[in-house]
Amino acid sequence: AQSVTQPDIHITVSEGASLELRCNYSYGATPYLFWYVQSPGQGLQLLLKYFSGDTLVQGIKGFEAEFKRSQSSFNLRKPSVHWSDAAEYFCAVGSSGGYQKVTFGTGTKLQVIP
Amino acid sequence: DAGVIQSPRHEVTEMGQEVTLRCKPISGHNSLFWYRQTMMRGLELLIYFNNNVPIDDSGMPEDRFSAKMPNASFSTLKIQPSEPRDSAVYFCASSLTNYGYTFGSGTRLTVV
Repeated sequence: AQSVTQPDIHITVSEGASLELRCNYSYGATPYLFWYVQSPGQGLQLLLKYFSGDTLVQGIKGFEAEFKRSQSSFNLRKPSVHWSDAAEYFCAVGSSGGYQKVTFGTGTKLQVIP
Repeated sequence: DAGVIQSPRHEVTEMGQEVTLRCKPISGHNSLFWYRQTMMRGLELLIYFNNNVPIDDSGMPEDRFSAKMPNASFSTLKIQPSEPRDSAVYFCASSLTNYGYTFGSGTRLTVV
């Protein structure tokens, strides 16, 4: 069965500092990987996705993620955080088969301080 | 495109009442998903439709929950009778075959 672990429940960074959110997945084959962001009172918005090819994926809002098969990781990064990035971030893994079931991690809540 | 539209945004109901949540997916998307989000359990997939057909309802908590998709532009999630432990935010999401869900803004359900 597929699963996702986000080891950090809550992270605080200073505005302008770099950010890395960790994500580890478990899946028997090549996974489909996603990062979503959820602002308070809102639904989840897709930041980026990895299906195959280049292991460094660029997304919206200046985010990127790197797929590392050897570490079963798909960490999200941003070189300089803005106050508007404060939100909850979810990593997700999907099967490469025909069924589009996607399993979400428990989320990492990002706080940005001045 | 207006995105995935859910209604109502908020619902407060008394225990034992029937609750119906509604979702209009993005036009052209062939898959629709209902999720429930709580602090304790995070995001849980309740049911998944593909081309209006229920594919996997293994996440539906119990018989009190039912979902329908009578056509490609409308889906409902019904809880009858509702219980306080059903209080949560319910999300609908739709996608085309290449993944990348688009989520609605959710319905916050409170059962008192």
